[in-house]
Amino acid sequence: SSELTQDPAVSVALGQTVRITCQGDSLRSYYANWYQQKPGQAPVLVIYGKNNRPSGIPDRFSASSSENTVSLTITGAQAEDEADYYCNSRDNSGNVVFGGGTKLIVL
Amino acid sequence: QVQLQQWGAGLLKPSETLSLTCAVYGGSFSGYSWSWIRQPPGKGLEWIGEINYGGSTNYNPSLKSRVTMSIDTSQNQFSLKLASVTAADTAVYYCARAIDDYSNYYYYMDVWGKGTTVTVSS
Repeated sequence: SSELTQDPAVSVALGQTVRITCQGDSLRSYYANWYQQKPGQAPVLVIYGKNNRPSGIPDRFSASSSENTVSLTITGAQAEDEADYYCNSRDNSGNVVFGGGTKLIVL
Repeated sequence: QVQLQQWGAGLLKPSETLSLTCAVYGGSFSGYSWSWIRQPPGKGLEWIGEINYGGSTNYNPSLKSRVTMSIDTSQNQFSLKLASVTAADTAVYYCARAIDDYSNYYYYMDVWGKGTTVTVSS
């Protein structure tokens, strides 16, 4: 299967820790990446590869993986972290795939 | 700092051809994969395809019959054409730079254009 599955929505209290998951067979072969998208804006890469943050991304963002599931963890969620989060990778056919996206609500 | 600037027609009629171009400023054009992604209103991201510096392409199987990508290395630009558009092709279209390290199983898009809204309506 070339699909990546994400929960549609997740909520977290301000300052608490939240985990957003992404599941798919392609994740057994390729590392996943995570993008943050706020309304009306282009996606922004927040995690790539095993657990790498681009310059400028706060260290409260981290990633982990296990078999066919990868997780994005935000430790100490801030109000500005409220956004849609998408995972992506290559599938076994060489195509690029995105998860359906998770809306993070910060309470 | 690398920037992607994209442009193209924003309003099309059914059966017309969508045409978008993305220019790369402030960075190397070679050594990367250049992608197009779209996002229908209120929905998630969909990969359309990619082209590398040498002109090799890889398209989403669901769009392959209608997609053509090209690259102009002299202008640091790459382009997307999507033929026979319908209302289902209404979306924000993004161009993006991708790092494709297949030997280490990395593929990620680190720089994105601002997006172009394309509406298909009669």
